[in-house]
Amino acid sequence: DAEITQSPRHKITETGRQVTLACHQTWNHNNMFWYRQDLGHGLRLIHYSYGVQDTNKGEVSDGYSVSRSNTEDLPLTLESAASSQTSVYFCASSPDRGKTQYFGPGTRLLVL
Amino acid sequence: AQSVSQHNHHVILSEAASLELGCNYSYGGTVNLFWYVQYPGQHLQLLLKYFSGDPLVKGIKGFEAEFIKSKFSFNLRKPSVQWSDTAEYFCAVDMGRRALTFGSGTRLQVQP
Repeated sequence: DAEITQSPRHKITETGRQVTLACHQTWNHNNMFWYRQDLGHGLRLIHYSYGVQDTNKGEVSDGYSVSRSNTEDLPLTLESAASSQTSVYFCASSPDRGKTQYFGPGTRLLVL
Repeated sequence: AQSVSQHNHHVILSEAASLELGCNYSYGGTVNLFWYVQYPGQHLQLLLKYFSGDPLVKGIKGFEAEFIKSKFSFNLRKPSVQWSDTAEYFCAVDMGRRALTFGSGTRLQVQP
């Protein structure tokens, strides 16, 4: 069955380190998204991509970057991790704009 | 600014009680509407969606939602909740932008 996976599921890192969170989907969806989930804020969009070589900033993109070299993967990089980036990160994909997004299981990141 | 509001942050109900969770958005154009559910420790799953047609939509597990365009609302309902409905519920709206805009979520606790 097609699916969307994230790795690692849990990560502890130190302030200032570079961290990369992986997201892989097998639906062949063009659109992929990264959100962070924090108490009281719901899900906030970090970055998104509408296809290979396309990346765009979301509402909370500072300190994060993404790259899209193929359809299946959209890794999220924290260039220099900060304690404010402690959160749960969700990746999602959808076949087209405005359509249903399918979410991965999430990565819980703790920055010490 | 375009936004999605969920007025109830935490709802506590007894089993068999009726449920209604509010969702309002601020956008005057065409929208696609979603409700997602997140069970404890799990990822977001689609509960139901509205794209067009009958404004009363039915989803999984006995949930339904009604789109009232004049009120910019998409409230979620269930006539009789179960303990297994304990979860966090997110309203999301596609307002023709880059990605979905999520509400801050409503935590539902059903007491046996």
